[in-house]
Amino acid sequence: DAKTTQPPSMDCAEGRAANLPCNHSTISGNEYVYWYRQIHSQGPQYIIHGLKNNETNEMASLIITEDRKSSTLILPHATLRDTAVYYCIVRVANRGSTLGRLYFGRGTQLTVWP
Amino acid sequence: DSGVTQTPKHLITATGQRVTLRCSPRSGDLSVYWYQQSLDQGLQFLIQYYNGEERAKGNILERFSAQQFPDLHSELNLSSLELGDSALYFCASSVGSGASTDTQYFGPGTRLTVL
Repeated sequence: DAKTTQPPSMDCAEGRAANLPCNHSTISGNEYVYWYRQIHSQGPQYIIHGLKNNETNEMASLIITEDRKSSTLILPHATLRDTAVYYCIVRVANRGSTLGRLYFGRGTQLTVWP
Repeated sequence: DSGVTQTPKHLITATGQRVTLRCSPRSGDLSVYWYQQSLDQGLQFLIQYYNGEERAKGNILERFSAQQFPDLHSELNLSSLELGDSALYFCASSVGSGASTDTQYFGPGTRLTVL
């Protein structure tokens, strides 16, 4: 399974853009990149996902490099409520008993300060 | 609010006991997933059910079992509880059977404390 590498922690000033990097150098061509976040022991919250094109929704933007070996999640105007652990996950392609499971690493603890 | 509900929110019990955690998926979702989050292990996948059938199995102990009922709600049964089973238990649901484009939405979790 494609592994991901994220910095353990980052901080950001409120109102600024938060750019969270993720390396996934062993990603396969048909594997999607997903981002979730978890705010202090709440259930993980889905943010965004993508395959190769950049994606944007009401929460964030996802920039995937052309070689797909890394990506960046962008929160355009971070608020205090964005303080959370952010997980970058590569979804394995449909393959037998691994179907469906999400592999959560340690993620990045983002702290937004006033 | 993801639309996934879990009960109870908190559960405190003793070693050796048995408990049942309940999950109701989002309306229209056919898959239910169970995850365990402990301090030292992070979020770990336990098991997936799709439309009543077991679909995928992860690091689920033999003392644990799950099922999905005809109305698609799911229950996770934990028996012979040990101190190490204390954790947050999350349920997630998705529309399909777990393809790589099938987004999972998580419930608020059940915090289990075994004394």
